[in-house]
Amino acid sequence: DAKTTQPPSMDCAEGRAANLPCNHSTISGNEYVYWYRQIHSQGPQYIIHGLKNNETNEMASLIITEDRKSSTLILPHATLRDTAVYYCIVGSSNTGKLIFGQGTTLQVKP
Amino acid sequence: DTAVSQTPKYLVTQMGNDKSIKCEQNLGHDTMYWYKQDSKKFLKIMFSYNNKELIINETVPNRFSPKSPDKAHLNLHINSLELGDSAVYFCASSQGWKGGSPLHFGNGTRLTVT
Repeated sequence: DAKTTQPPSMDCAEGRAANLPCNHSTISGNEYVYWYRQIHSQGPQYIIHGLKNNETNEMASLIITEDRKSSTLILPHATLRDTAVYYCIVGSSNTGKLIFGQGTTLQVKP
Repeated sequence: DTAVSQTPKYLVTQMGNDKSIKCEQNLGHDTMYWYKQDSKKFLKIMFSYNNKELIINETVPNRFSPKSPDKAHLNLHINSLELGDSAVYFCASSQGWKGGSPLHFGNGTRLTVT
């Protein structure tokens, strides 16, 4: 299973876009990139996922580089409620197993 | 309506006891999981079941026994509880298990063993 590397922490001003990077240089062709977040001690919340193409939903956008070795999660207009730990995960389609790393703690500041 | 619900939310018990955590999902998913989050906040998969069949069993002590009476339920029974079992346990579900289907998590059960 491919591993991911994320910065341990980031700050973002309220109302601005938050761009969270993730490296997954050992990703294989059938592995998806997933993003989850965990607010306080709640259960992880699914945000978005993708295989090769960029994806957008009501919460965020996911930009995956052409070589698929890195990706960026974009929260277009961060609010204080977006303060959370964000996990970038590469999921195996063979086992269905998601391996969570340490994630990025995003602090949105007023 | 809660999609993935776990009970109890908090569980405090003594070493050596046996306890169970229940999980139910109303999403119509066919795959369910148990994850453990330790004090360092790492989330680790323990088990997954697809249509009541065990798919993943991650080097978990055999004191932990998952039971899936039907595909909407996956309960976790723990025998002879130890101090190191203290953690937050999350149940999750997804449609299918071969990638592409995101997991939906419950809000966790905080287990404290004294």
